[in-house]
Amino acid sequence: QVQLVQSGAEVKKPGASVKVSCKASGYTFSGYYIHWVRQAPGQGLEWMGRINPNSGGTNYAQNFQGWVTMTRDTSISTAYMEVSGLKSDDTVVYYCAREAYTGIYFDSWGQGTLVTVSS
Amino acid sequence: EIVLTQSPGTLSLSPGERATLSCRASESVSSSYLVWYQQKPGQAPRLLIHGASSRATGIPDRFSGSGSGTDFTLTISRLEPEDLAVYYCQQYASSPWTFGQGTKVEIK
Repeated sequence: QVQLVQSGAEVKKPGASVKVSCKASGYTFSGYYIHWVRQAPGQGLEWMGRINPNSGGTNYAQNFQGWVTMTRDTSISTAYMEVSGLKSDDTVVYYCAREAYTGIYFDSWGQGTLVTVSS
Repeated sequence: EIVLTQSPGTLSLSPGERATLSCRASESVSSSYLVWYQQKPGQAPRLLIHGASSRATGIPDRFSGSGSGTDFTLTISRLEPEDLAVYYCQQYASSPWTFGQGTKVEIK
């Protein structure tokens, strides 16, 4: 079955960077876009961007351009999302999600990675 | 960008009752490119409905979606205790792909 397994929780200081991984299994990794979605504690969902695992091409939401970088390693079916210049209000859960075959929505999700930013 | 407004913010109902959740878009969502997700406490979201009215694989038939244009509805016909969750709508008609702020369903 389709699975997305994310890396574990992180604690970072303000100004630092964090790189979250998302390992895919149960399907052809290069065949489906991977998206990243952010959720602050007790808040809603915010789309950050997506990567085409086949080409490496990316699309970022305007709010995240310049400080988020999405990459992938097809040899290990893993997508990555790096956030730089972390601020205290960047304490959030990051989710990776697979884009569905029939539209730009998300049919499988990772379990989430909590990144805590604290001095 | 398309702004999605969900109502009510919280819905408190008893098991067996019918739940009606609304998602209103700031502009028409073409081709009913709207989905619903369920997020249980401490879990990732799960896809319930795509294309406004098509249930995802494995979703019980007590969940149904309807609507078009700017007004969409998720209906849970007979609430069960395990339906305690926050429900989000999301549009995929135009980028950026946006979510509503969520409706929390509480079970009395």
